[in-house]
Amino acid sequence: NAGVMQNPRHLVRRRGQEARLRCSPMKGHSHVYWYRQLPEEGLKFMVYLQKENIIDESGMPKERFSAEFPKEGPSILRIQQVVRGDSAAYFCASSRLTDSANVLTFGAGSRLTVL
Amino acid sequence: GENVEQHPSTLSVQEGDSAVIKCTYSDSASNYFPWYKQELGKGPQLIIDIRSNVGEKKDQRIAVTLNKTAKHFSLHITETQPEDSAVYFCAASETGGFKTIFGAGTRLFVKA
Repeated sequence: NAGVMQNPRHLVRRRGQEARLRCSPMKGHSHVYWYRQLPEEGLKFMVYLQKENIIDESGMPKERFSAEFPKEGPSILRIQQVVRGDSAAYFCASSRLTDSANVLTFGAGSRLTVL
Repeated sequence: GENVEQHPSTLSVQEGDSAVIKCTYSDSASNYFPWYKQELGKGPQLIIDIRSNVGEKKDQRIAVTLNKTAKHFSLHITETQPEDSAVYFCAASETGGFKTIFGAGTRLFVKA
């Protein structure tokens, strides 16, 4: 079981370029979450997705950010026209559909640097 | 919505001493409280969790306590070791809910 796989681990972009971050959930997990971590800060919820559905995107900026979790393939967090303030670590987590507690398994993160 | 506050932001202890990290939450509907450990350059890893139907849970050197009335919960690490040095996050969520809200984190330094 490979766990939650994120790539790339490190991404450097110039202002105005696009960043695409990918996340493959753990086997058997149908829920994907994206969190953003600014340097020296905590984890801020961005978006929650199930296959082909965005369930809650209340933590995602209204402009330039989008997320998807297609029927086939990984979840993608897309940031258009990046700015320096987008520099952060972006963590993906997945969980199993359950009536019980929502136990999150995190990936190793993708660290975005905007020059 | 839920708000989780965590203290202290930094904690330095001598190897062998105990470390305590405290969190409070605001939403009385929250009933699941996990703790995550994040080492440098890695993603957060679940180390222990507690549900609202119990007041305390222990796993070797780590324990969590929960006071639902006061809406606070704590992480206790005994006999700390240098490898315990990391950032620790508390979190709160609602059973059957999807949104897990994290505290700001505590950076723990264990001095050998």
